[in-house]
Amino acid sequence: QSALTQPRSVSGSPGQSVTISCTGTSSDVGGYNYVSWYQQHPGKAPKLMIYDVSKRPSGVPDRFSGSKSGNTASLTISGLQAEDEADYYCCSYAGSYVLVFGGGTKLTVL
Amino acid sequence: EVQLVESGGGLVQPGGSLRLSCAASGFTFSSYVMHWVRQAPGKGLECVSAINSNGGTTYYANSVKGRFTISRDNSKNTLYLQMGSLRAEDMAVYYCARDISGSWRGAFDIWGQGTMVTVSS
Repeated sequence: QSALTQPRSVSGSPGQSVTISCTGTSSDVGGYNYVSWYQQHPGKAPKLMIYDVSKRPSGVPDRFSGSKSGNTASLTISGLQAEDEADYYCCSYAGSYVLVFGGGTKLTVL
Repeated sequence: EVQLVESGGGLVQPGGSLRLSCAASGFTFSSYVMHWVRQAPGKGLECVSAINSNGGTTYYANSVKGRFTISRDNSKNTLYLQMGSLRAEDMAVYYCARDISGSWRGAFDIWGQGTMVTVSS
């Protein structure tokens, strides 16, 4: 199972919005509404930010939103804050109990 | 408090074995699908293995199939990963993680702190 494709890096200034894409195939992202997004700060465990494409767990700010179109899922962060600087990973169910991650995107807040 | 605590990592020689444990507390462990996710130094996340709530269904990534065995003891609220024939490429931080709402969908809402496995002679 191939990894999902994410941009290596994105950046934005405080207050701006950024979008991170996650491209797969019809066998994973396009085939199921089970896409999740994780935030990881250096040396820390990942944190669930979005699941089932667009659902936010309790405690995650509504500045974080998710969507999907065809084989590409997206995470949008609006009103960027310094603490949003981190690595972000997408993950998709791919059938037959298989879960595949993206390669990760480093978000820099300028 | 809902938490997962891994243990068992350490230094092992190539070809060696290691057993990781993940102790769960604060929730009904027996109701959840559980996963092992690893992260090699400076690399991304990889789903290594997973097990359903009663242990009847398991998953292994191709990279570890035949070498790793996942299991759980719901009476002890503990998840295990028995790792054998370890290779340099298995060196990583290993996290255990809970899949949200008892289903198998890759929504890991609770993570442990991770345990480092170093494979070196």
